Amino acid sequence: GAVVSQHPSWVICKSGTSVKIECRSLDFQATTMFWYRQFPKQSLMLMATSNEGSKATYEQGVEKDKFLINHASLTLSTLTVTSAHPEDSSFYICSARVGGGGNQPQHFGDGTRLSIL
Amino acid sequence: GENVEQHPSTLSVQEGDSAVIKCTYSDSASNYFPWYKQELGKRPQLIIDIRSNVGEKKDQRIAVTLNKTAKHFSLHITETQPEDSAVYFCAAYVYGSGNTGKLIFGQGTTLQVKP
Repeated sequence: GAVVSQHPSWVICKSGTSVKIECRSLDFQATTMFWYRQFPKQSLMLMATSNEGSKATYEQGVEKDKFLINHASLTLSTLTVTSAHPEDSSFYICSARVGGGGNQPQHFGDGTRLSIL
Repeated sequence: GENVEQHPSTLSVQEGDSAVIKCTYSDSASNYFPWYKQELGKRPQLIIDIRSNVGEKKDQRIAVTLNKTAKHFSLHITETQPEDSAVYFCAAYVYGSGNTGKLIFGQGTTLQVKP
């Protein structure tokens, strides 16, 4: 149980392209999903918290107009990197929280490796 | 602000030995502490978690201890095997206003188990 699917797993595209990443909870409903960015050999950096039916909460320093988040249903959240540039190249991982309480397990998707040429 | 410190950053042990990774957190209101294992290029996998109403939790070769007074928690892996080699992250849940709580992650520990 508690499977999180993330798609695509790998994206290579030209500078200026917008890229959409999907995160789905397959066997549970997730009121809250999280989007992280991870650079090589570094920890997970939270970018934003995605709440179903409301606006996402962004961490300090993360541009909300650059990283658009939509959480339209209890099983799907999307992250769109708009007008991507080489510095946006990274490993993006989503997670979904089981249950409504804060102290509940979070399960991660497989991640999306984004490479901007 | 909220912070989680994790040590050591790298750990090398011989197969069969034990490995211990330690974390400290700053927010005394934190009450949920998960541990994740991440293999190269893969997703972080939840391996064990503990809530503040208990001091220790075990799952086969893995155990976690929590000292709320000192605000630190540790991961213990016994009888290590080569497949335990990975990066391990600790985390502490920090409450915010409304439903804005989040996990704060440690810096990670690269564990190498030598056969």
